[in-house]
Amino acid sequence: DAGVTQSPTHLIKTRGQQVTLRCSPKSGHDTVSWYQQALGQGPQFIFQYYEEEERQRGNFPDRFSGHQFPNYSSELNVNALLLGDSALYLCASSQRGGRWNSPLHFGNGTRLTVT
Amino acid sequence: GESVGLHLPTLSVQEGDNSIINCAYSNSASDYFIWYKQESGKGPQFIIDIRSNMDKRQGQRVTVLLNKTVKHLSLQIAATQPGDSAVYFCAESTGGSYIPTFGRGTSLIVHP
Repeated sequence: DAGVTQSPTHLIKTRGQQVTLRCSPKSGHDTVSWYQQALGQGPQFIFQYYEEEERQRGNFPDRFSGHQFPNYSSELNVNALLLGDSALYLCASSQRGGRWNSPLHFGNGTRLTVT
Repeated sequence: GESVGLHLPTLSVQEGDNSIINCAYSNSASDYFIWYKQESGKGPQFIIDIRSNMDKRQGQRVTVLLNKTVKHLSLQIAATQPGDSAVYFCAESTGGSYIPTFGRGTSLIVHP
């Protein structure tokens, strides 16, 4: 049973460029959340996708956008990259529905470096 | 704003000792709490969770305690092993939000 997979594992971009990160959720999961983790900090919520729609969004600018496909996989796009966007980008999947939350299952992330 | 934080940024223990990692939360509406372990170069790994209608939950070598009166959460690791060395995060969410908020993390260092 494959867990959450993310690609690529590492990426180096230049300021002003655009980047796309990809995520495949754990088998049986239908919800994908994206987090940004700066060095030495806890993950910060970017947004969550369910049923191919953005359901909730954290405090991130419109330069951050995403998409969810019918097979539940997801992409995170960041436009006009800034040096401050350098971070570990984590994808997490879960099962939505029901009264209680289910725990997020994380991938190992994509390390993005903006130069 | 509402936040989740940790009392100690670094905890050093000897192998075989019991470890206790503490976490304070400020959102009284939080009703679901999770502990994650993050090893270097990896994503956070789910350890154990607890809902607000419980005050204790046990797993394999781990116990989570929830004190809603003082908004405090702790993770106890029994017989700590070198493989337990990692950063531990507590996270909380409010019913229906499905979005856990993470604290900064505590680095656990286990000395052999």
